[in-house]
Amino acid sequence: DAGVIQSPRHEVTEMGQEVTLRCKPISGHDYLFWYRQTMMRGLELLIYFNNNVPIDDSGMPEDRFSAKMPNASFSTLKIQPSEPRDSAVYFCASSDRTSGSGTQYFGPGTRLLVL
Amino acid sequence: AQSVTQLDSQVPVFEEAPVELRCNYSSSVSVYLFWYVQYPNQGLQLLLKYLSGSTLVKGINGFEAEFNKSQTSFHLRKPSVHISDTAEYFCAVSDPRSSASKIIFGSGTRLSIRP
Repeated sequence: DAGVIQSPRHEVTEMGQEVTLRCKPISGHDYLFWYRQTMMRGLELLIYFNNNVPIDDSGMPEDRFSAKMPNASFSTLKIQPSEPRDSAVYFCASSDRTSGSGTQYFGPGTRLLVL
Repeated sequence: AQSVTQLDSQVPVFEEAPVELRCNYSSSVSVYLFWYVQYPNQGLQLLLKYLSGSTLVKGINGFEAEFNKSQTSFHLRKPSVHISDTAEYFCAVSDPRSSASKIIFGSGTRLSIRP
């Protein structure tokens, strides 16, 4: 398997613009997670899905952030409008709870810079 | 609720020296425990995990960790480190009883290896 795939790997945008981050989980995994990592706040869980349904979005910072999972092989995280404080590395991870441990497998991340 | 504490934010060691990265968890129930490694500009990668059974767990790259229930610890060790071990290490915990696949991550320990 190719692992978790994220695109783009790097994104530079200007304040106020819409940003869309994409994720393809490992085939067969039933959980998908979006994380944000910054120096100040470390690794934060934003939202996670089970079988394409959002389960817990309590980590989403504010209404400017939204996430969707239209099918088992694709998810997006959208920021609209973007702000400089959104600059961070965004990770997607997936897991297969039926395998027992729920080990999460991470993608390479999208490094976002909002100017 | 579960939580994880990584006592050291940074650990500098000389090459070929032994290292121990400390992790303590808080939980009123049994747990699954994980160590993840993040190399520079990469996503998190599973190093090892404890689910049940033997309290000494061996992982990739010569790392091992020992589960100590009485001390609620899961310290990571390597007898002789290499420059390539320079990375950030995250301890994590999850609840085996939970139907969700959520993992609680520690704040990370940055391991720097000096030649």
